[in-house]
Amino acid sequence: EIVLTQSPATLSLSPGERATLSCRASQSIGSYLGWYQQKPGQAPRLLIYDASNRATGIPARFSGSGSGTAFTLTISGLEPEDFAVYYCQQRSSWPPVTFGGGTKVEIK
Amino acid sequence: EVQMVESGGGLVQPGRSLRLSCTVSGLTFGDYAMTWLRQAPGRGLEWVAFIRTKRYGETTEYAASVKGRFTISRDDSKSTVYLQMNSLKTEDTAMYYCTRDRGPSSYFFDYWGQGSLVTVSS
Repeated sequence: EIVLTQSPATLSLSPGERATLSCRASQSIGSYLGWYQQKPGQAPRLLIYDASNRATGIPARFSGSGSGTAFTLTISGLEPEDFAVYYCQQRSSWPPVTFGGGTKVEIK
Repeated sequence: EVQMVESGGGLVQPGRSLRLSCTVSGLTFGDYAMTWLRQAPGRGLEWVAFIRTKRYGETTEYAASVKGRFTISRDDSKSTVYLQMNSLKTEDTAMYYCTRDRGPSSYFFDYWGQGSLVTVSS
């Protein structure tokens, strides 16, 4: 089973700042990585699939990059609604898909 | 607008059974594979079960942690996917989400239900 490790666990930033979240895979997964946002009490929302493709309706300030074992989610300028937990997910070794442990982006 | 509404969760004793349902509207349900995921309180996300479309024989896949205890099924006439959970354990306590695969062989999930809470406790 492929293990995804996200860092940092918590990111403290101010609105308008740039957020850079990392996800590392225990073995190469090509570009088969997605990113989700989850707010308290809500279901996760798909942001990015196949490493760099924005899902329908996702603002352009969200971008994904990377391949192989190292991936990044960048939020170019944090809006108040972006403070949430972010998860990465791989589908290279399906089944199963696996998720990272999450990065919490909190207001500084 | 796509809506996915789960039901059937609740408090159940270890060893007992529970069936979750997820009814979908706003899309052609039969065209999409469906997946159940879960999230234990304060924890991350775990893939649970998957079912293909009728076109692909409604074949299924399960996480090792639930294989042999859980059964996923679908009724396209009712636009509903089910998760039959038997021999429940305390570690099955979680919010259960039904999700839609965004496309054939995508295995990324673009629509989610609101979740159904399952608590396994004596």
